[in-house]
Amino acid sequence: NAGVMQNPRHLVRRRGQEARLRCSPMKGHSHVYWYRQLPEEGLKFMVYLQKENIIDESGMPKERFSAEFPKEGPSILRIQQVVRGDSAAYFCASSPGLAGGGNEQFFGPGTRLTV
Amino acid sequence: GIQVEQSPPDLILQEGANSTLRCNFSDSVNNLQWFHQNPWGQLINLFYIPSGTKQNGRLSATTVATERYSLLYISSSQTTDSGVYFCAVIINTGTASKLTFGTGTRLQVTL
Repeated sequence: NAGVMQNPRHLVRRRGQEARLRCSPMKGHSHVYWYRQLPEEGLKFMVYLQKENIIDESGMPKERFSAEFPKEGPSILRIQQVVRGDSAAYFCASSPGLAGGGNEQFFGPGTRLTV
Repeated sequence: GIQVEQSPPDLILQEGANSTLRCNFSDSVNNLQWFHQNPWGQLINLFYIPSGTKQNGRLSATTVATERYSLLYISSSQTTDSGVYFCAVIINTGTASKLTFGTGTRLQVTL
């Protein structure tokens, strides 16, 4: 009974490089969410995706960040030209697509990005 | 946006003691979850509790949706309970899905 999978668990990048973070949702879940946790802070919503669609990206920085959830394969959070301020833990969560919203979200182990 | 406040911000307990953590939120919600983030950074689901009362072993939670608060009870605390406890909510608009997290309660359980 695999939970939400994220890889890599730790990622080190130099300033200016690209970071790609992957998330595979729980079996049967079609909704994926990305959250960021800066050091000593709580988690902040970034983006909500369903297969091939971005539903809500209101928490995503306008530049350098992008996310996708293709028909096949994991969801990808991509950060281009990373800067020191991007250093954080990035968590992915998934939920079933039940009607009415407010579904319980299940979190992966996170990817810790160090720039 | 919705405000989520947790208290106390920090808590030190001796092993075996009981505690109550509180979460206040400023709007009607259709999802409330409690999480434990352990010292290794892993986020563990404790309860999905938009209303009512649930129990799981030494932990229990109550959400009074009409009064916009939730309580997490930890009984007979153990050192493995140490970490940060987060409350997170989704506002009740029918389609909203993003969790808004509180700032957390940092718990340290000592021998």
